[in-house]
Amino acid sequence: RKEVEQDPGPFNVPEGATVAFNCTYSNSASQSFFWYRQDCRKEPKLLMSVYSSGNEDGRFTAQLNRASQYISLLIRDSKLSDSATYLCVVSRGGSYIPTFGRGTSLIVHP
Amino acid sequence: EAQVTQNPRYLITVTGKKLTVTCSQNMNHEYMSWYRQDPGLGLRQIYYSMNVEVTDKGDVPEGYKVSRKEKRNFPLILESPSPNQTSLYFCASRGQVGNQPQHFGDGTRLSIL
Repeated sequence: RKEVEQDPGPFNVPEGATVAFNCTYSNSASQSFFWYRQDCRKEPKLLMSVYSSGNEDGRFTAQLNRASQYISLLIRDSKLSDSATYLCVVSRGGSYIPTFGRGTSLIVHP
Repeated sequence: EAQVTQNPRYLITVTGKKLTVTCSQNMNHEYMSWYRQDPGLGLRQIYYSMNVEVTDKGDVPEGYKVSRKEKRNFPLILESPSPNQTSLYFCASRGQVGNQPQHFGDGTRLSIL
């Protein structure tokens, strides 16, 4: 089993739709979690950290489920500009060495 | 402005000709790392450094070297590049304390002919 797994997609959704991605991780000792956004062949940029209690930033909501070892990202009211690849990052150990998922591609169409 | 700067942004070169990709950060970050990104394989870590003079192998270190003589710089060295090292490379850094996200450079697109 890969350390961090994501459905590569693509997820094709119309503008205004709600879409959710999951990311599973195998190491139960993982300690920090992030979602990054990456536009085509550009650098990944932090979208949001994921906290144990869940957190929201505008249209984006992130959740952590430690029991089932997954994190999720919910995007409400999708915009064309949300089209990108969303990378899940899980860090392990006291040194917080990060492991990236391969990303989930989102395409929002008019 | 806080940033991670990589150079060059693009490079086309030939097999066997040594090259160095520089990475510099101005945020006084302890942790720096190098990744390569290939279609369908995602970001794979090449090397990372926890601090000056402390480096360690990532998932795909073969064919690469790094050094960390100063806190701000973390160059990636390809002593004898080969075509299978054609890729998009990213440098990243973050602070050591607690749960901090990484900041990425703009990327370096390397083509080895």
